[in-house]
Amino acid sequence: AQSVTQLGSHVSVSEGALVLLRCNYSSSVPPYLFWYVQYPNQGLQLLLKYTSAATLVKGINGFEAEFKKSETSFHLTKPSAHMSDAAEYFCAVSDRKTSYDKVIFGPGTSLSVIP
Amino acid sequence: DAGVTQSPTHLIKTRGQQVTLRCSPKSGHDTVSWYQQALGQGPQFIFQYYEEEERQRGNFPDRFSGHQFPNYSSELNVNALLLGDSALYLCASSPGHLSSYEQYFGPGTRLTVT
Repeated sequence: AQSVTQLGSHVSVSEGALVLLRCNYSSSVPPYLFWYVQYPNQGLQLLLKYTSAATLVKGINGFEAEFKKSETSFHLTKPSAHMSDAAEYFCAVSDRKTSYDKVIFGPGTSLSVIP
Repeated sequence: DAGVTQSPTHLIKTRGQQVTLRCSPKSGHDTVSWYQQALGQGPQFIFQYYEEEERQRGNFPDRFSGHQFPNYSSELNVNALLLGDSALYLCASSPGHLSSYEQYFGPGTRLTVT
């Protein structure tokens, strides 16, 4: 069965510092992987997704993530944090058995950016 | 393009009551998925509708049911509400053949059960 773990429910970084949010997944088949962001009182917005093309995926707002099959990881990074990056971040996985498999979300990591 | 819309925005119900939440998908999308997001947790998949039928279902009791209309809009119904049903309910739409990786989420409906 698919599952997602996110190390660290809360992460604080200084403005301008590197952002690193960790995600590890479990899947019986090569997965699709996603990062979503959620701002307070809003729905989810897709940051980026891995669907078996390049292992380094670039997303919106300067974020990127690298798929590492050997480590079953899909960590999210951004070189320089901005105050507007403060939000909840969710890693998610979907099996590729069918094109419409359900998406399983991790518990989320709350990112705080310190001025 | 209005994107995915949900109504109502907020809702307060009493234990034992029934509730209906509504979702209109993004233009061009024919698949609707529903998620429950409890406070401080990630979204949990409830079910997915395609061609007016339930195509996938998560680990939720039969008190949770849904419907999809010919115009692809969808309803989520919850019967015999429990306090634990208090959550943000998210709707996501996608094109049917790409539903696992082209989901667009609505803003959600915040349900409070007292």
